[in-house]
Amino acid sequence: EPEVTQTPSHQVTQMGQEVILRCVPISNHLYFYWYRQILGQKVEFLVSFYNNEISEKSEIFDDQFSVERPDGSNFTLKIRSTKLEDSAMYFCASSERQGSPLHFGNGTRLTVT
Amino acid sequence: AQKVTQAQTEISVVEKEDVTLDCVYETRDTTYYLFWYKQPPSGELVFLIRRNSFDEQNEISGRYSWNFQKSTSSFNFTITASQVVDSAVYFCALSEAGTGNQFYFGTGTSLTVIP
Repeated sequence: EPEVTQTPSHQVTQMGQEVILRCVPISNHLYFYWYRQILGQKVEFLVSFYNNEISEKSEIFDDQFSVERPDGSNFTLKIRSTKLEDSAMYFCASSERQGSPLHFGNGTRLTVT
Repeated sequence: AQKVTQAQTEISVVEKEDVTLDCVYETRDTTYYLFWYKQPPSGELVFLIRRNSFDEQNEISGRYSWNFQKSTSSFNFTITASQVVDSAVYFCALSEAGTGNQFYFGTGTSLTVIP
C-alpha cells in the first residue's frame, strides 16, 4: 500500500539554524499538509497546500516557515531560523481528494538545542 | 471555538472491558466528514475510519464500532473487549466541504488498557 514518507526521522539542530524537513506524499494525492505535535500534546495544524499554493495556514506558520513542492513529488517544510519552541514531531500528510482521509508519514522529530 | 471536542483526556480500563471514546463536533456545513485516528506509543498516526455527513449508519469493524449521531453532533468510538494493544491516543477529526479540505483535530483521548 502506498505511503507517505518523511526524512529524516530525527533532526537535531542548533537554535538559529535553518532546517528543511522532507516529505514524499502519495503520488495521486492532491492535498498536502504539515502538522506538528509537541511531545504529549495535541496535533497542531501548520499549513495546507493545494494546486501548487498554500490554501490555509495557522498562526503558528509565521514568516519563519515556508513550504515548497519543487518537483511534483517532494513536499518540504523549511524553518528559517529555528527556536527552542520549534522542537516537536512534524508530520506530513496527504489526501487524495476533498473528504478523503489524511494519510500521515511517520514524522520527523526535530530537536532544537 | 473548538470544532472538535474530546472531553475525555485520559481513560484507563482493565483488559477485556468495553470502552467508549466520546467526540463532539461543531459545524454549519451540511457536507462534512468525520474521522478517527490512532496514535500508538510508537508515535505514528493511523487512520481508522471515515464517515460522511449523509451516512448515519453505524459501523462495526471487529472489536471497533462507531456511533454517528447528527442529532447530538457526536461520533463516538467504542472498543469492545479491550486489549493491551489498544493502548494509544485516539484523535477525532472533522473536515468540512466548504473549507478546502481543512481538517480539525480534537485534543485526543489517551487510553490505557491495563492487563
